[in-house]
Amino acid sequence: NAGVTQTPKFQVLKTGQSMTLQCAQDMNHNSMYWYRQDPGMGLRLIYYSASEGTTDKGEVPNGYNVSRLNKREFSLRLESAAPSQTSVYFCASSPGYGYTFGSGTRLTVV
Amino acid sequence: DQQVKQNSPSLSVQEGRISILNCDYTNSMFDYFLWYKKYPAEGPTFLISISSIKDKNEDGRFTVFLNKSAKHLSLHIVPSQPGDSAVYFCAASRSRADGLTFGKGTHLIIQP
Repeated sequence: NAGVTQTPKFQVLKTGQSMTLQCAQDMNHNSMYWYRQDPGMGLRLIYYSASEGTTDKGEVPNGYNVSRLNKREFSLRLESAAPSQTSVYFCASSPGYGYTFGSGTRLTVV
Repeated sequence: DQQVKQNSPSLSVQEGRISILNCDYTNSMFDYFLWYKKYPAEGPTFLISISSIKDKNEDGRFTVFLNKSAKHLSLHIVPSQPGDSAVYFCAASRSRADGLTFGKGTHLIIQP
C-alpha cells in the first residue's frame, strides 16, 4: 500500500542548478498536486493536474515547471534553483476532494 | 490576501480535556472544508471534512462545525490524547478539481 511516493526525500542544490522532484501514486486518482510548505506559511499550491494531460498554475508557480507523464506520475522541475526555493515539497493525489499526501522532499538551495 | 486563516499558531490543552481549533475563511465560493493533521517529517493526513450543505460532521473523537454566515469552522477533539499533539491545518476548496487552500496551521500540544 504505497499511496503517494516522492523521491528524493532530501536534496541540497547549489544556486542555478536544476533538478526534478518525482511523484507517483498507485491509487488511480485523477488529480495530482504539488505544494510547498514554509515555516509560518502553511501549504501553498504550486501546480496541479486535474487529469492526465492537463496542468494548471496554482498560487506560487514562478520558477517551477511540471509534467503529468501519465496518470500515475506528476513531476516538478526547478530549472534554475534559487535560495527562495528552499522548502519542503509535498505531492498529493485525489479522486475528488480528499487528498493523500506523500511524505515530502526537503530541498535546500545554497 | 489570505483566504483561509488560522489565527492561533499554537494551542496547549491538558490531556482529557476538549481541544478547539478555529478557522476563518473569506471566500464565499468555498464549498468543502477539511482538516489535516501533520506530524514532523511526515506528510499531512486527512482527518475530517464537511461540505457547505452541513453544519456539523462527527467522526469518533473529532467533530467539525461549520458556521457559513460567519465564515467560520472549528474542530473539536474530545477527549484530547497525547497522540493528538501535531500541527492541524484547515483547508477549503471551491470545486473537486481545484487545489485546496490551506491555513497556516495550529500547533496543538497536549499536556499530560
